[in-house]
Amino acid sequence: GAVVSQHPSRVICKSGTSVKIECRSLDFQATTMFWYRQFPKQSLMLMATSNEGSKATYEQGVEKDKFLINHASLTLSTLTVTSAHPEDSSFYICSAPERQGLWGYTFGSGTRLTVV
Amino acid sequence: AQTVTQSQPEMSVQEAETVTLSCTYDTSESDYYLFWYKQPPSRQMILVIRQEAYKQQNATENRFSVNFQKAAKSFSLKISDSQLGDAAMYFCAYTSQTSGSRLTFGEGTQLTVNP
Repeated sequence: GAVVSQHPSRVICKSGTSVKIECRSLDFQATTMFWYRQFPKQSLMLMATSNEGSKATYEQGVEKDKFLINHASLTLSTLTVTSAHPEDSSFYICSAPERQGLWGYTFGSGTRLTVV
Repeated sequence: AQTVTQSQPEMSVQEAETVTLSCTYDTSESDYYLFWYKQPPSRQMILVIRQEAYKQQNATENRFSVNFQKAAKSFSLKISDSQLGDAAMYFCAYTSQTSGSRLTFGEGTQLTVNP
């Protein structure tokens, strides 16, 4: 089946630095990628939607300049957390609609970001 | 805007017993899709079951089945013969074409399976 590979699985960074999270579709072309943020014991909150070759669409309240999303190819979407602060510490998950028009989604394995 | 509500933050069940997780949603659309996802401690999202709104027949996947009540906007998940591996957070989710394929998730239900 369709697989989305997400890296890194966990990262610790210092305040003020930037961190890039990658999601690659391994055996299909992901024209759309959804980026979620999840706090402990809470639901997934959609942050933004990226589409290959165009600007990402951000949800209300999500800072575009802090969470930079790039979808430069049909197999790679990236989320860069810029000037990270401890409050950015969270679990980030990407997801792509399955191919073949099926109404389903493939999720990455998630990235646990800790900002110290 | 569509909303999904899971009113049970936590549920527990004895191994081999049956448990039902509740989900309600609000939408003005007639064509949409509903899902149940499982998130174990690894936090990998796993599809449990999905239902197309235009299908009257309730979806089933082995020990998992749904009770889809379109008029009542209810979409409950029944887990039969519960196993220890079923312990996880379960999320109900909604999507439609008009929502741009975006998934709207419920708050989640933490399921504990007691041996």
